[in-house]
Amino acid sequence: QVQLMESGGGVVQPGGSLRLSCAASGFTFSTYAMHWVRQAPGSGLEWVALTSDDGNNGHYADSVKGRFTISRDNSNNRLFLQMDTLRPEDTAVYYCARPPAYYYGSDIYFDYWGQGTLVTVSS
Amino acid sequence: EVVLTQSPGTLSLSPGERATLSCRASQSIASSSLAWYQQRPGQAPRLLIYGGAGRAAGIPDRFSGSGSGTDFILTISSLEPEDFAVYYCQQYQRSPGTFGQGTKLEFK
Repeated sequence: QVQLMESGGGVVQPGGSLRLSCAASGFTFSTYAMHWVRQAPGSGLEWVALTSDDGNNGHYADSVKGRFTISRDNSNNRLFLQMDTLRPEDTAVYYCARPPAYYYGSDIYFDYWGQGTLVTVSS
Repeated sequence: EVVLTQSPGTLSLSPGERATLSCRASQSIASSSLAWYQQRPGQAPRLLIYGGAGRAAGIPDRFSGSGSGTDFILTISSLEPEDFAVYYCQQYQRSPGTFGQGTKLEFK
């Protein structure tokens, strides 16, 4: 069965960096574009970033553009999110999410989500 | 960016009752580009409905989606105890896909 498991969250000071990881299993990882979606405490969901199946293309929400970098390792079925110059408003649970079929775009829904990893940006 | 407004913010009902949750878009979207998710406390969102009315795998038929244009509805025909959760709508017609702020379904 499809499984997505995030790790790497924690507490970081404003201006700091963190790298999130998502381990995927149960499907052919290299044939799907993959996404990160976040949820601030007590708030709704916000799409963050996506990467193409081969990792050569990425697309970002305006709120993180220039600070976050999405990447992947298809040989090890892993998705990453490098977060730099973190701000308090980046505090959220970060989910990796899979769309139902290959499609490169943020205009898609998600049929599988990981359990999320909490990032707290605070001094 | 398409803004989705969900109402009510909180809905208080009892098991066995019918729930009607609303999602209104700031601009017209195709019904085929709307999804609904359920999120229980401490859990990831779970896909319920895609394409406006298609049920995801394993979703009971008490869940149904409808609507068009700017107004969409998620109906739960007869509430089970496990249905009390937060529900989000998402549009994916225009980039970026955007989510509503959620409706909390709580025990009355």
